[in-house]
Amino acid sequence: DGGITQSPKYLFRKEGQNVTLSCEQNLNHDAMYWYRQDPGQGLRLIYYSQIVNDFQKGDIAEGYSVSREKKESFPLTVTSAQKNPTAFYLCASNLHNQPQHFGDGTRLSIL
Amino acid sequence: EDQVTQSPEALRLQEGESSSLNCSYTVSGLRGLFWYRQDPGKGPEFLFTLYSAGEEKEKERLKATLTKKESFLHITAPKPEDSATYLCAVQAADSGYALNFGKGTSLLVTP
Repeated sequence: DGGITQSPKYLFRKEGQNVTLSCEQNLNHDAMYWYRQDPGQGLRLIYYSQIVNDFQKGDIAEGYSVSREKKESFPLTVTSAQKNPTAFYLCASNLHNQPQHFGDGTRLSIL
Repeated sequence: EDQVTQSPEALRLQEGESSSLNCSYTVSGLRGLFWYRQDPGKGPEFLFTLYSAGEEKEKERLKATLTKKESFLHITAPKPEDSATYLCAVQAADSGYALNFGKGTSLLVTP
């Protein structure tokens, strides 16, 4: 089945640790996105990529990094510089001018 | 600055009791307005895209409409399985492909 796979479903981070969230899609979509969702808040854009080897910062990129080495994959690293990383992280993808489709998220918590 | 405001924040309906959710927006040139449904612990599921004032889209018990300043999601004779959070997002003409999300309306339909 075609879709967007995020892993792991749950992730715990220790102080000073970097963690990487995986996002893979087999929909042949050009663009991929990372959002953060906090209780009572709308989704906020962290990074997005429209083509391989290119990506742009969203509204809240500080403390995060991404790479886009393959069309199918857009991993997000939450660095130790992100002081409030506890949130639900959502990955999305789309073809240009088509709706974004989402994975089922990774919930990140601090130990 | 682009803004998306959804109301009410929460809505409780009896099964069969029709109602509407509102999404007000301010944007410098609308490329598209999107409605998503999100179940707890899951990623948003795409429902509709609306592009211009006067446009309407329907799917089962849901109907989305669009004016120049707001969109409504009408729910006719809802069932308990319609319980979810409904998210509205706008894409501005000058924003590339980024979406600006509202905070959502949490809908509970009781038997």
